[in-house]
Amino acid sequence: KQEVTQIPAALSVPEGENLVLNCSFTDSAIYNLQWFRQDPGKGLTSLLLIQSSQREQTSGRLNASLDKSSGRSTLYIAASQPGDSATYLCAVSIANDYKLSFGAGTTVTVRA
Amino acid sequence: NAGVTQTPKFRILKIGQSMTLQCAQDMNHNYMYWYRQDPGMGLKLIYYSVGAGITDKGEVPNGYNVSRSTTEDFPLRLELAAPSQTSVYFCASSYRGGLVGETQYFGPGTRLLVL
Repeated sequence: KQEVTQIPAALSVPEGENLVLNCSFTDSAIYNLQWFRQDPGKGLTSLLLIQSSQREQTSGRLNASLDKSSGRSTLYIAASQPGDSATYLCAVSIANDYKLSFGAGTTVTVRA
Repeated sequence: NAGVTQTPKFRILKIGQSMTLQCAQDMNHNYMYWYRQDPGMGLKLIYYSVGAGITDKGEVPNGYNVSRSTTEDFPLRLELAAPSQTSVYFCASSYRGGLVGETQYFGPGTRLLVL
């Protein structure tokens, strides 16, 4: 069974600092890995999706890396802003299965 | 284009009561999913559907039922509410499952409290 772990559970940084969020998974036979953002009382929004054949994906200030062999992914957010405050969830899918296994998330607070 | 909509936003149930959580999508997606999210935990898949008339169990299906009579709607039924079903419920959809680069689109969630 795939287990997804996110460390740390919570993170507080001053505005402008770079954020590093970690995700680890136990079964390296993944199809893809996604990072989602969840705002309080809202649903999830997909930020980045990395296929198993890729090493990283970038979108604006966000960069996600994937190391399948070690079962790890890292989400980098450059020059953090108060608007980046949210919970970030990592999810993986196995083979071409449409089912996602989620981590518990990292709650980020960016202080102005 | 409303995306994925869920009703109600919040509900309090007494133990033993029943209710239906509504979910609808207007993106003509074939695949739909129900998840629950408990405090401090990741989302867990309850049921999913790959098209109208087809449903299957996910990781935590006990105590729930679903139906998929149309492409747009995927209601989740709780027959005998229990305190363990206190959670936030998310509905999601995707055009197909497993396509390269495809993601799931989530609704805003229904917060359920069973007392």
